[in-house]
Amino acid sequence: DIVMTQSPDSLAVSLGERATINCKSSRSVFSSSKNKNYLAWYQQIAGQPPKLLLYWASTRESGVPDRISGSGSGTDFTLTISSLQAEDVAVYYCQQYYTTPSTFGQGTRLEIK
Amino acid sequence: QARLVESGGGVVQPGRSLRLSCAASGFTFINYAMHWVRQAPGRGLEWVAVISYDEYYKYYADSVQGRFTISRDQSKNTLYLDMTSLRADDTAVYFCVRDGVGWSPSGTYFDHWGQGTLVTVSS
Repeated sequence: DIVMTQSPDSLAVSLGERATINCKSSRSVFSSSKNKNYLAWYQQIAGQPPKLLLYWASTRESGVPDRISGSGSGTDFTLTISSLQAEDVAVYYCQQYYTTPSTFGQGTRLEIK
Repeated sequence: QARLVESGGGVVQPGRSLRLSCAASGFTFINYAMHWVRQAPGRGLEWVAVISYDEYYKYYADSVQGRFTISRDQSKNTLYLDMTSLRADDTAVYFCVRDGVGWSPSGTYFDHWGQGTLVTVSS
């Protein structure tokens, strides 16, 4: 199975500042035939189900604000929130869907400093 | 807008069985692979199982292989998870999830989630 490791486990950022969460996979999730990275990001606000933010590593889901972006390729990926808002407080997960079983990172808790 | 509503959770003794259901609406159910994903209390997300849009392919996490069965009733727009030989470490909120692409046999990302149903395995 592909192991997904996120860093840091928790993060406190001031309102309006940048938040960066990293995700590393134990092997590449890039398909050269499709030219795509099989990597998604989710946001889970307390008491709610997860919400899809990004897929194919950097494609924003409909309705997701453009202050949230994804980057990276192969084994190293980053979720960036360019200007933190109060509603961004949540746990964030990366997920690989390159192979079955699909696997998630352990989650990163994002709080307001 | 897609809507997924799970039911069937509850408290069950170790070794017993339980069936979860997920009623889907707001989209063409037969066009999408469907998944179950679970989350133990205070823990992260664990993918459990996927069934392809045409029911031909089914895949399971090693932790549930041989004990859980995923199925769907296309006429009722309903997804199921039959869980047998339940263990304490199966205690979790179980989410019904729609696949983001739909046609992929083994699934991709997850674009719509239900609210989840809590399964507690305890004597």
